[in-house]
Amino acid sequence: QVQLQQSGPGLVKPSETLSLTCAISGDSVSSNSAGWNWIRQSPSRGLEWLGRTYYTSKWYIEYADSVRSRTTITPDTSKNQFSLQLNSVTPEDTAVYYCAREVLYSGPNRVDSWGQGALVTVSS
Amino acid sequence: DIQMTQSPPSLSASVGDRVTITCRSSQTMNNFLNWYQQKPGEAPKLLIYTASRLQSGVPSRFSASGSGTDFSLTITSLQPEDSARYYCQQSFSKPYTFGQGTTLEIK
Repeated sequence: QVQLQQSGPGLVKPSETLSLTCAISGDSVSSNSAGWNWIRQSPSRGLEWLGRTYYTSKWYIEYADSVRSRTTITPDTSKNQFSLQLNSVTPEDTAVYYCAREVLYSGPNRVDSWGQGALVTVSS
Repeated sequence: DIQMTQSPPSLSASVGDRVTITCRSSQTMNNFLNWYQQKPGEAPKLLIYTASRLQSGVPSRFSASGSGTDFSLTITSLQPEDSARYYCQQSFSKPYTFGQGTTLEIK
């Protein structure tokens, strides 16, 4: 049973960088059959997919166009975790952020496991 | 981006009732459609994947169907614990997108 444990600050100042980490147990960030996603949720934007990383012979990282220019998702094989960095945040980035596992190559993809969620507030 | 439109935004039903939530996509996407249930303060939970496949551990009163652009989630014999918000999500193309959600209230 995979478990995803999120960590990171809950308050970030405008123009600074939001950083979150998702520690994986029960699976591997290097798995050939899983993708590791970041999704956020806010009242104004609903559920919004931000990006993912996955490994299939090499690492792939994909981002939503809406955040591409200021987002970095990084896998860390030594700690079996992956991270999200979102630069130049504004109050619009206030949301609950989730990390999530996506099942790959077993029919159409689906997100089957989620972290506990982390409310990140952007405010001075 | 593929737009996902759910209806109704909310509904209220009684224990034992049957309800259906619909989801329409802005373009055809075969059966790359998933349904999630979210309760307050919790992360979404996968109910249905590939339009109609029941996720392991999900009660059989949940079912879904559809293809192309029109999909539906049906819950029969409603239980009090089914009170939640339900979302559809497409995994056909990136960015993955979600419907705006349907709130189900159990009277």
